[in-house]
Amino acid sequence: EAGVVQSPRYKIIEKKQPVAFWCNPISGHNTLYWYLQNLGQGPELLIRYENEEAVDDSQLPKDRFSAERLKGVDSTLKIQPAELGDSAVYLCASSSGTGGNTGELFFGEGSRLTVL
Amino acid sequence: GENVEQHPSTLSVQEGDSAVIKCTYSDSASNYFPWYKQELGKGPQLIIDIRSNVGEKKDQRIAVTLNKTAKHFSLHITETQPEDSAVYFCAASIPPDQAGTALIFGKGTTLSVSS
Repeated sequence: EAGVVQSPRYKIIEKKQPVAFWCNPISGHNTLYWYLQNLGQGPELLIRYENEEAVDDSQLPKDRFSAERLKGVDSTLKIQPAELGDSAVYLCASSSGTGGNTGELFFGEGSRLTVL
Repeated sequence: GENVEQHPSTLSVQEGDSAVIKCTYSDSASNYFPWYKQELGKGPQLIIDIRSNVGEKKDQRIAVTLNKTAKHFSLHITETQPEDSAVYFCAASIPPDQAGTALIFGKGTTLSVSS
């Protein structure tokens, strides 16, 4: 069975440019997460989806970040415009746990963003 | 909200020695505590987890202990091997709302096992 797939793996852009990351979760997983991982730090939650609904986006900087999960499967995370401080790894994860029953999170390999 | 503290940030051991990583959490309503291993260039991968109704869990060379009263949990790796070298993260579940929950991660421990 395929794991969580993310693309692109690496992206280098100049500041003020837009960038988008794509995630395909494990088939059948209703819950999808986007996490931000700065160098030498643990993952930090940006947004959580239950099916197509964003149920927790309190940590998403909404002035420049946006996300969508159309049809409750694939998801896209967008940054516009990018700033130097956005350089990090963006991790997508999916889980079959819902309704308070936390299950294992399966992570993709991440998308590493470098903003120049 | 939930806060997870992890110590030490780096840990160096000789092959065959044991390694212990400790974490504390702040919200007594958290009920799920996983440990993840992250190798260079990869996403974190679950190695063991424990729920709040259990005090200890073991899987071969890896064990996790949970003290709910003190709100801390620990990862124990015995007979360490060079392939155990990686970054380890502890996590605690955010108390669930109607739609589910998520994980809050510690800052990580870089474990180096030298042969």
